[in-house]
Amino acid sequence: EIVLMQSPGTLSLSPGERATLSCRASQSVSGRYLAWYQQKPGQAPRLLVYGASSRATGIPDRFGGSGSGTDFTLTISRLEPEDFAVYYCQQYGGSPTFGGGTKVEIK
Amino acid sequence: EVQLVESGGGLIQPGGSLRLSCAASGFTVSSNYMSWVRQAPGKGLEWVSVIYSGGSTYYADSVKGRFTISRDNSKNTLDLQMISLRAEDTAVYYCARGTRYFDLFDDWGQGTLVTVSS
Repeated sequence: EIVLMQSPGTLSLSPGERATLSCRASQSVSGRYLAWYQQKPGQAPRLLVYGASSRATGIPDRFGGSGSGTDFTLTISRLEPEDFAVYYCQQYGGSPTFGGGTKVEIK
Repeated sequence: EVQLVESGGGLIQPGGSLRLSCAASGFTVSSNYMSWVRQAPGKGLEWVSVIYSGGSTYYADSVKGRFTISRDNSKNTLDLQMISLRAEDTAVYYCARGTRYFDLFDDWGQGTLVTVSS
């Protein structure tokens, strides 16, 4: 099983700032089968990025994914008020696992 | 518009059984990968089970032999029959649709809470 470690656990930033979230895998994620989800309190997760860097339908271009192998990053270029949430990375393509999440909170 | 609405959650004693249902609209359940994903209170996400369009089913080791996923094509619904429930099964259960890979979740329901406690 691939274990995904997300860091930091909490990111305190102000609207308009840049957020950089990290996801590190215990072994190489084949085919760049790495996705990112956003979850707000009391809501279901929402798919943001798949294939490490492809944005899902309707996702603003301030969300960007990058990385390969064992190291992946989600970048939010300029935080909007609605972006404060918990973000999860997930590897897929068989035996799916999720990271523990990064909470992006208002500073 | 794609919509998924779960129901059937509640409080159940350890060892008990419960059946969850997910009503889908805006697409055909039998033409997609349909999964259950759960989230324990204050915790992360865990994939539970999937049913393929062809009918094959797969389960996480933590629920294998206790949970059964199925669908009703006439009603366009997805079900999860859970038996021998344990405290560690306490979670919000989401149904989710995959269009490209069985475990890439494009659409999610709002979830239904299952609490296993005496």
